[in-house]
Amino acid sequence: AQSVTQLGSHVSVSEGALVLLRCNYSSSVPPYLFWYVQYPNQGLQLLLKYTSAATLVKGINGFEAEFKKSETSFHLTKPSAHMSDAAEYFCAVRGSFGNEKLTFGTGTRLTIIP
Amino acid sequence: EAQVTQNPRYLITVTGKKLTVTCSQNMNHEYMSWYRQDPGLGLRQIYYSMNVEVTDKGDVPEGYKVSRKEKRNFPLILESPSPNQTSLYFCASSRDTDTQYFGPGTRLTVL
Repeated sequence: AQSVTQLGSHVSVSEGALVLLRCNYSSSVPPYLFWYVQYPNQGLQLLLKYTSAATLVKGINGFEAEFKKSETSFHLTKPSAHMSDAAEYFCAVRGSFGNEKLTFGTGTRLTIIP
Repeated sequence: EAQVTQNPRYLITVTGKKLTVTCSQNMNHEYMSWYRQDPGLGLRQIYYSMNVEVTDKGDVPEGYKVSRKEKRNFPLILESPSPNQTSLYFCASSRDTDTQYFGPGTRLTVL
């Protein structure tokens, strides 16, 4: 069975500071990994995805994530936080072809301090 | 514009009154799915469909039904809603191995 664990349900960073949101996964097959963002009162929007190509994945809005198999991690980072980054972020894992089910983490709410 | 639409966006109903939440996508995607989002629990999959007439249970299917008679539509049916089904519901679609696209959500309150 596949699963993801997001460490920290709430993270606060100052504007301009580094954003680091943690995600660890468990999967019996090579995983597909995703980060989604949910802005208030909106649906989920894909930030980036890892599909077994490059281990450093760049996404939208300056976010990136690095797949580390030895640590079973897929942490999301952004060098400099912006007020518009305030949102809830979800890490998700999906099995390889033939198992399209997405399993989500419980989410991390990111607050940006002016 | 490529999109997933859901209706209604907001619904308040009473226990036991059957309701349907519609979901439609215009991207010709084979795969569609329903999730519910609850505070502290993230998103949990209710049902999914690999193609027309092919559906299967997700993690929390109790109290829900789905059907997939057309490729573009995947309605979620609550035959006898209960207060524990008060939640935010999302429909999503994708091609077989591609990114899932989410609808805007339906906020359901069951009194």
